[in-house]
Amino acid sequence: DAKTTQPPSMDCAEGRAANLPCNHSTISGNEYVYWYRQIHSQGPQYIIHGLKNNETNEMASLIITEDRKSSTLILPHATLRDTAVYYCIVRPLTGKLIFGQGTELSVKP
Amino acid sequence: GAVVSQHPSRVICKSGTSVKIECRSLDFQATTMFWYRQFPKQSLMLMATSNEGSKATYEQGVEKDKFLINHASLTLSTLTVTSAHPEDSSFYICSATIGTNEKLFFGSGTQLSVL
Repeated sequence: DAKTTQPPSMDCAEGRAANLPCNHSTISGNEYVYWYRQIHSQGPQYIIHGLKNNETNEMASLIITEDRKSSTLILPHATLRDTAVYYCIVRPLTGKLIFGQGTELSVKP
Repeated sequence: GAVVSQHPSRVICKSGTSVKIECRSLDFQATTMFWYRQFPKQSLMLMATSNEGSKATYEQGVEKDKFLINHASLTLSTLTVTSAHPEDSSFYICSATIGTNEKLFFGSGTQLSVL
């Protein structure tokens, strides 16, 4: 079973930052927080992952709370092409990737 | 990022026939591959984990005799849907891990429609 809770949907204005929250209150010490997104009728795309430190790459930033019970994915300047379902997943490095329901992000002009 | 190629992207078949879906890692060796299925408006459901040279491990409720998985090389895994029926119509997606298993990369998916 998925071990994360995400809002089912969110809207964001184009050009603004999109902040997608995720709760993972039962996360274990060896589990990482992963974010993937799926654009309609395509395979999921890896975005970012982290253990306890905040992470940033060319796509997004990942902010993990100190107690690791929640995290936020930040898309700094959302574009229409960022409209997708975003999945937050907790997983140990050698574990399976189990998807929950995700957040459907709609970026609006 | 690493490229996972999945073929075909779309297939339509008659009920009772078998369909093979290929998943290739193009620029890396994938010791582990995963197969998912996704129904409309639903999330991805893990079907099985496939390790090169060994039998696949199926998730609870997935019929191993119906969904045959072969991982004969480090760059190729296949999923065969045997005796397909309309209820098998779904979006099938493969993924592969690279190196230390830290990241999974996904294929573009196969839309199977059984008439």
